[in-house]
Amino acid sequence: EADIYQTPRYLVIGTGKKITLECSQTMGHDKMYWYQQDPGMELHLIHYSYGVNSTEKGDLSSESTVSRIRTEHFPLTLESARPSHTSQYLCASSGTGEVQPQHFGDGTRLSIL
Amino acid sequence: GQNIDQPTEMTATEGAIVQINCTYQTSGFNGLFWYQQHAGEAPTFLSYNVLDGLEEKGRFSSFLSRSKGYSYLLLKELQMKDSASYLCAGLDSNYQLIWGAGTKLIIKP
Repeated sequence: EADIYQTPRYLVIGTGKKITLECSQTMGHDKMYWYQQDPGMELHLIHYSYGVNSTEKGDLSSESTVSRIRTEHFPLTLESARPSHTSQYLCASSGTGEVQPQHFGDGTRLSIL
Repeated sequence: GQNIDQPTEMTATEGAIVQINCTYQTSGFNGLFWYQQHAGEAPTFLSYNVLDGLEEKGRFSSFLSRSKGYSYLLLKELQMKDSASYLCAGLDSNYQLIWGAGTKLIIKP
């Protein structure tokens, strides 16, 4: 049973649109992450948060923004979608402590036409 | 720079044993994770090593050598459901995960 939820599961949308990918977790985890993953490739960290009102950019900000107003919610927004944003986006969370495994949502497969 | 290397693809037979290797270079080191990812699904945590040696969890074991910058995941009594990608990830000095591209394991009957 999933404790971290991502919506939508799939999205096909045109260039230039503003998109928000939703991620929520019910585990009370302080740390949350957004990754981008292309088929057969490694995960790239886009943004992360260590708690409410805390957000940091990863190696691949990809012209996106995040917010962390509530512990359980960590949405990712693309202000103006481009075909290069086509990818899978994975949200993850981890508990208190510096070494905790990350738990992943099922991902959003995004296609920009 | 930071880097994780693992083979792109491996094939093994049902019931056999397979070892998936991973070498890492990270800025500082706070341990190494292995995750399993079935096609189209999210990665799931398998194991974590920070000290040298072998950690066993049922059919899966993970080994670490810090001096060699090397780890492996050992899967015994392979089952068809073990067909998946296996991701190696090193935890650097900032406690950020550096991910490998994954090893796609194909199990044949």
